[in-house]
Amino acid sequence: EPEVTQTPSHQVTQMGQEVILRCVPISNHLYFYWYRQILGQKVEFLVSFYNNEISEKSEIFDDQFSVERPDGSNFTLKIRSTKLEDSAMYFCASSRTGTGRANVLTFGAGSRLTVL
Amino acid sequence: GDSVTQMEGPVTLSEEAFLTINCTYTATGYPSLFWYVQYPGEGLQLLLKATKADDKGSNKGFEATYRKETTSFHLEKGSVQVSDSAVYFCALSPDKIIFGKGTRLHILP
Repeated sequence: EPEVTQTPSHQVTQMGQEVILRCVPISNHLYFYWYRQILGQKVEFLVSFYNNEISEKSEIFDDQFSVERPDGSNFTLKIRSTKLEDSAMYFCASSRTGTGRANVLTFGAGSRLTVL
Repeated sequence: GDSVTQMEGPVTLSEEAFLTINCTYTATGYPSLFWYVQYPGEGLQLLLKATKADDKGSNKGFEATYRKETTSFHLEKGSVQVSDSAVYFCALSPDKIIFGKGTRLHILP
């Protein structure tokens, strides 16, 4: 069964450092998403991406965050200058339709980010 | 805005017990409803979904019925197994997915 793959599985970084989390969505999917889950809290929407641009972003997705699809397969989340409160599990997801009742997101296993 | 509320965990049951995890939602319009499951060390997997009122989603012995009148989508299973131990997330989607906080389920042998 097709999978969404994420790397790294765990990254430890110092506060203020830049971090890039990578995702390879399912190959025939057109819509891409990042979510995050702070330990013990709910899974929160960060951003959705379609046709090489952001289609929606949450209040969490401030100027410190950016997303990019640098080639035909990868989808990356960059945090420019990490803060302690960025420590979380980050999930990438992709879907074929993007909207409507048939929209089903397939999630990756997550990248755990620890900011010291 | 749209939101999902699900029962607090952890929920601990013995094997073969009956499971209910409550979920209620607030939404404008007519969202699709989902249950996702997260097994230890893994990502979020779609367990089941329902796209309109009175639909019943089912998978792996789990069921949930889309109840518009009570704005609920409770997850049930008649006889749980140790392998069902995981975190369960109720979610809704007009377009992007909005998740509840998750309910951790422990099944004891």
